[in-house]
Amino acid sequence: DIVMTQSPDSLAVSLGERATLNCKSSQSVLYSSNNKNYLAWYQQKPGQPPKLLIYWASTRESGVPDRFSGSGSGTDFTLTINSLQAEDVAVYYCQQYFGTPRTFGQGTKLEIK
Amino acid sequence: QVQLVESGGGVVQPGRSLRLSCAAAGFTFRDYAMHWVRQAPGKGLEWVTVISYDGSNKDYADSVQGRFTISRDDFKNTLYLQMNSLRSEDTALYYCARGGFGDHLDYWGQGTLVTVSS
Repeated sequence: DIVMTQSPDSLAVSLGERATLNCKSSQSVLYSSNNKNYLAWYQQKPGQPPKLLIYWASTRESGVPDRFSGSGSGTDFTLTINSLQAEDVAVYYCQQYFGTPRTFGQGTKLEIK
Repeated sequence: QVQLVESGGGVVQPGRSLRLSCAAAGFTFRDYAMHWVRQAPGKGLEWVTVISYDGSNKDYADSVQGRFTISRDDFKNTLYLQMNSLRSEDTALYYCARGGFGDHLDYWGQGTLVTVSS
């Protein structure tokens, strides 16, 4: 199984500042035939289902604010939230869909400092 | 708009069975792979199973392999999860989710709660 490890487990950032969340996979999730990283990011607010933010590691889902961006390739990935807003308080999960099982990271809890 | 509505959750004794349903609307159901993902109380997300758009391929997490069965009825636009030999560790909120092209999970239902307890 591909193990997804997120860091840090929790993060407190001031409003208007940048939040940087990391995700590392135990093996590459880059598919060489199409040069795509099979890595997604989800946001889960309390009492709500997860919401897709980013797929293919860096493609923003329709309707997601452009302050959210994804980067990385192979085994190391980053979700960056610029100009943090109060509504961004949530738990963020990365997930690989390269192999089965489609594993999630343990989540990073983002709070306001 | 895409809608996924889960049902069938409840309280069940260990060793018993339960069937979850997920009613889909707002998209061509037969064109998409569908997944179940669960979340134990206060815990993270755990992927459970997927069925391909045509039902020909199914994959399961090791934790449910041999006990859970995913299926779909494209005439009813409904996804199912048959859960047998339930254990206390299966207690969770069960979400159905659509597999987008590429198989990231682009739409999620609100979930249905399964509690396994004697």
